[in-house]
Amino acid sequence: QSALTQPPSASGSPGQSVTISCTGTRSDVGTYNYVSWYQQHPGKAPKLMIYEVSNRPSGVPDRFSGSKSGNTASLTVSGLQAEDEADYYCSSYAGSNNYVFGSGTKVTVL
Amino acid sequence: QLQLQESGPGLVRPSETLSLTCTVSGGSISSSSHYWGWIRQPPGKGLEWIGSIYYSGSTYYNPSLKSRVTISVDTSKYQFSLRLSSVTAADTAVYFCARTSVAGRLFDYWGQGILVTVSS
Repeated sequence: QSALTQPPSASGSPGQSVTISCTGTRSDVGTYNYVSWYQQHPGKAPKLMIYEVSNRPSGVPDRFSGSKSGNTASLTVSGLQAEDEADYYCSSYAGSNNYVFGSGTKVTVL
Repeated sequence: QLQLQESGPGLVRPSETLSLTCTVSGGSISSSSHYWGWIRQPPGKGLEWIGSIYYSGSTYYNPSLKSRVTISVDTSKYQFSLRLSSVTAADTAVYFCARTSVAGRLFDYWGQGILVTVSS
């Protein structure tokens, strides 16, 4: 199984929106609505931000939203804030209790 | 609050076996709703799922690592472990243990991570 494809970087000014794509295949993103997104600050463990494509865990601001179309999932961060600057990773279930992560996107708040 | 903590050697010699343990506290390791897994991150690179284990002992491995990986669980000690054999410099990474939700197929609780360096 190959890593899901994400753009290496994305950026936006405070208050703007940024959208990150996550492209997989029919074997993972395209088949299962089990796409999740993780935020990772330097030196820290990843934090779950979105699960099952578009659901937010308790405590995650509604500025974070997710969607999916075909083999590509997306994470949108609206109203960018300084603390949103981090690396973001998508993950997809790939069947038979296997998982695959994305290559990661570094979000910079200008 | 559920907590996971990795432990083990920070330095492993090439060709030897990497062994790590994750200790679970604040919750049950015998939950039928969760798997327990390992994920790694080479310095400056992305995340890679290594494998998962159910409390019953059923295991699931990344096909690219399957020949070298063994994950086991000791429910009496609230621990699960990772063994990765025949390591090379490419296995140098921060290793995270994490809880996987069966229902949502997500990783909801993570350990802080432990850096393992493969070097002679």
